[in-house]
Amino acid sequence: AQRVTQPEKLLSVFKGAPVELKCNYSYSGSPELFWYVQYSRQRLQLLLRHISRESIKGFTADLNKGETSFHLKKPFAQEEDSAMYYCALSGASSNTGKLIFGQGTTLQVKP
Amino acid sequence: DGGITQSPKYLFRKEGQNVTLSCEQNLNHDAMYWYRQDPGQGLRLIYYSQIVNDFQKGDIAEGYSVSREKKESFPLTVTSAQKNPTAFYLCASKSAVHHGYTFGSGTRLTVV
Repeated sequence: AQRVTQPEKLLSVFKGAPVELKCNYSYSGSPELFWYVQYSRQRLQLLLRHISRESIKGFTADLNKGETSFHLKKPFAQEEDSAMYYCALSGASSNTGKLIFGQGTTLQVKP
Repeated sequence: DGGITQSPKYLFRKEGQNVTLSCEQNLNHDAMYWYRQDPGQGLRLIYYSQIVNDFQKGDIAEGYSVSREKKESFPLTVTSAQKNPTAFYLCASKSAVHHGYTFGSGTRLTVV
């Protein structure tokens, strides 16, 4: 079954501390993984995707096929990073474009 | 200014009523999606449409209906058959070329 699991509902860290939001997936084929972010009173938006291997707002995520994980990391958290983060999966060969989302993790960065 | 517009922002429904949520996009995207967002459950797919006049059920389609008569529009009707309709509803679209969705700002539906 296709599934995305984000084990932490809430992650609370102090400003300047490292952050790692965990994401594990289950998918039989070749997946495409994404991280979406929803800041307070803003719409859900794409943060990054594994294909582009980019760093956005200091965040990076590496696809680990062996561990079926796509954890989101940032070395030094900022207060403006406080938001809800969703990990999502799509089949690379899928032509439907459907995304399967995890349950979401709220990141709270304290001053 | 391209994007997706959902309306209304807040909607109240009485028991037994059908209500329709609007989703309009001017991005020229072929595919459109409706998700339901509940606390602790993430986003769950209700319906999706890859092309005009065609749509498919998602994971939780029961009690909902959609239409796709125009490329720009993908309205969602929450029928009286939906037992627990109170939720936040998100519409999204996707181009055939680029990965990733563009989301609307959502509609919060409350049954009163």
